Amino acid sequence: DTEVTQTPKHLVMGMTNKKSLKCEQHMGHRAMYWYKQKAKKPPELMFVYSYEKLSINESVPSRFSPECPNSSLLNLHLHALQPEDSALYLCASSQALSGGPRYEQYFGPGTRLTVT
Amino acid sequence: AQTVTQSQPEMSVQEAETVTLSCTYDTSESDYYLFWYKQPPSRQMILVIRQEAYKQQNATENRFSVNFQKAAKSFSLKISDSQLGDAAMYFCAYLIQGAQKLVFGQGTRLTINP
Repeated sequence: DTEVTQTPKHLVMGMTNKKSLKCEQHMGHRAMYWYKQKAKKPPELMFVYSYEKLSINESVPSRFSPECPNSSLLNLHLHALQPEDSALYLCASSQALSGGPRYEQYFGPGTRLTVT
Repeated sequence: AQTVTQSQPEMSVQEAETVTLSCTYDTSESDYYLFWYKQPPSRQMILVIRQEAYKQQNATENRFSVNFQKAAKSFSLKISDSQLGDAAMYFCAYLIQGAQKLVFGQGTRLTINP
């Protein structure tokens, strides 16, 4: 089973709203990732969690706040977003961060976010 | 800078024919991993095939195979017997041993003509 699930599939929010995106995997993976993807562009890495600890923050604005409550769950809390934050947000997981066996990342279906 | 170049923004092929998508990359590292991901209109990024740089043998997954030329830093994807379901954006990516970040190319949009 190589399934990563994400909820919701679609989200429309105003600039003053607070919302959260959720990602879940049950593959026993110890690394989880958030990506942002604009139309017709490759995914851009936002955050990496390794063993439930934040290991990479790609200089993401503080209006995006990640959280890893346990090894299976990854949340992205959103607050005071801007219209330019509208994008597809992808979650991914991998058994290892890099190298060795099982380093490849498996992606979820994404959440389409629209900020009005 | 570490980069991945996909020189074909768009390609099309007739159903049942063979198509090759090109990818070149630039790195000074010797130990790394290469991937092709497929993203259909449904949006989900699907891992198509992977190649370890230390392996000389080209990876194959059913109708998908790669031509890995390490000295030339080239990693092309060949799709045989193209099917309508192969229509998607294809991204080439690599991961350096010890790093945590996938480096993606800009993608190639593949259209399958019935």
